[in-house]
Amino acid sequence: DVQLVESGGASVQPGGSLRLSCVVSGFTFRNFWIHWVRQAPGKGLVWVSQIDRDGSYTSYADFVKGRFTISRDNAKNTVYLEMRSLTVQDTGVYYCVRPDSSGLSFWGQGTLVTVSP
Amino acid sequence: SYELTQPPSVSVSPGQTARITCSGDALATRYTYWFQQKPGQAPVLVIYKDTERSSGIPERFSGSSAGTTVSLTISGVQAEDEADYYCQSGDSNGFYVFGGGTKLTVL
Repeated sequence: DVQLVESGGASVQPGGSLRLSCVVSGFTFRNFWIHWVRQAPGKGLVWVSQIDRDGSYTSYADFVKGRFTISRDNAKNTVYLEMRSLTVQDTGVYYCVRPDSSGLSFWGQGTLVTVSP
Repeated sequence: SYELTQPPSVSVSPGQTARITCSGDALATRYTYWFQQKPGQAPVLVIYKDTERSSGIPERFSGSSAGTTVSLTISGVQAEDEADYYCQSGDSNGFYVFGGGTKLTVL
């Protein structure tokens, strides 16, 4: 079975940093792009970032550009989201998502990031 | 920035038909995807490429497209269908955009 397990969520102060991890199993990791999507409490889904199969291409939503960095280690079946200069608006559940030919088909259960003074 | 517009809420009685719309300027030329999200759970892909039902999704779920408005229709709504529904498409850069979400209430 395809599995994506996020970790690294925590409570931090504004201006702080966090690194999220997403460990995957059940498929050949190096063959797939991976995305991060977040959801603020009680709010909707928002796409954050994506990375291609070998990590040579990455892209970001405007509101995280320059603050977040996505990367991957294909030997460890892991994707990372390095987040810095965090603001209260970055609070939410962060989902790791694997697409296939049908779209964003496989989602992890998410990890909660809370940014508060 | 590109936006997808959904009604905040839709209410139907069990057994009735629910229709959730999603509007966006470029939807006539880009595929739309629909996700169902129940409280405390990750989203589930329900419809892909406008009209295709994902594996394991009941036949009562269907998608349609008419110009810049796409729709998710649930025929014979059941209590278990109560959830938030999100449409998703792409912007001019190929990035992913989600609608604001529609809360479906089964009365």
